[in-house]
Amino acid sequence: EAQVTQNPRYLITVTGKKLTVTCSQNMNHEYMSWYRQDPGLGLRQIYYSMNVEVTDKGDVPEGYKVSRKEKRNFPLILESPSPNQTSLYFCASSLSNYGTGEAFFGQGTRLTVV
Amino acid sequence: TQLLEQSPQFLSIQEGENLTVYCNSSSVFSSLQWYRQEPGEGPVLLVTVVTGGEVKKLKRLTFQFGDARKDSSLHITAAQPGDTGLYLCAGGGGTSYGKLTFGQGTILTVHP
Repeated sequence: EAQVTQNPRYLITVTGKKLTVTCSQNMNHEYMSWYRQDPGLGLRQIYYSMNVEVTDKGDVPEGYKVSRKEKRNFPLILESPSPNQTSLYFCASSLSNYGTGEAFFGQGTRLTVV
Repeated sequence: TQLLEQSPQFLSIQEGENLTVYCNSSSVFSSLQWYRQEPGEGPVLLVTVVTGGEVKKLKRLTFQFGDARKDSSLHITAAQPGDTGLYLCAGGGGTSYGKLTFGQGTILTVHP
């Protein structure tokens, strides 16, 4: 089954404790991206990647890092999480490497930073 | 930065009513997508429109892309409780190279 898999689904952590949210897709898509979703703000892009070893900032990249060492994986790293990073996070992949085609989303990771 | 303004933000209606959700921008997009998101899930694509003036129908849902490719609308006829969810528009292309720009979303509740 074609899918984007995120882990974990739920995470509660403390300020400053490094964490990684994993994302994997099995559709051989070139393009992958991370979004955060906050009430009233919709989905805002954090980082995106058009291909292996190619990543770029989205609209809200501060406090986040990503890497793309393999086509299928695109982990999101919070080196020193803060409470304002409490949010619902989605990973997505797209066949189009310009990111304008249909986006396939994971089920989301609800992160709480206390 | 391209912005998409979606309205209304909330919509609460009775089963059988019609409704329209709007998605507007001052920028031109090469494509406009509509997604539906249910609680606990990621958004799922409903439709993509790419040509100015294009109209697409998906059962009781009608999607329109403005002639100038700056705006779009989603019209639902005879809404049903199963239509309840968050509807998101997303613009691709234009000056937003390499990304989709999402609207804030419309939370639709259809009461039986």
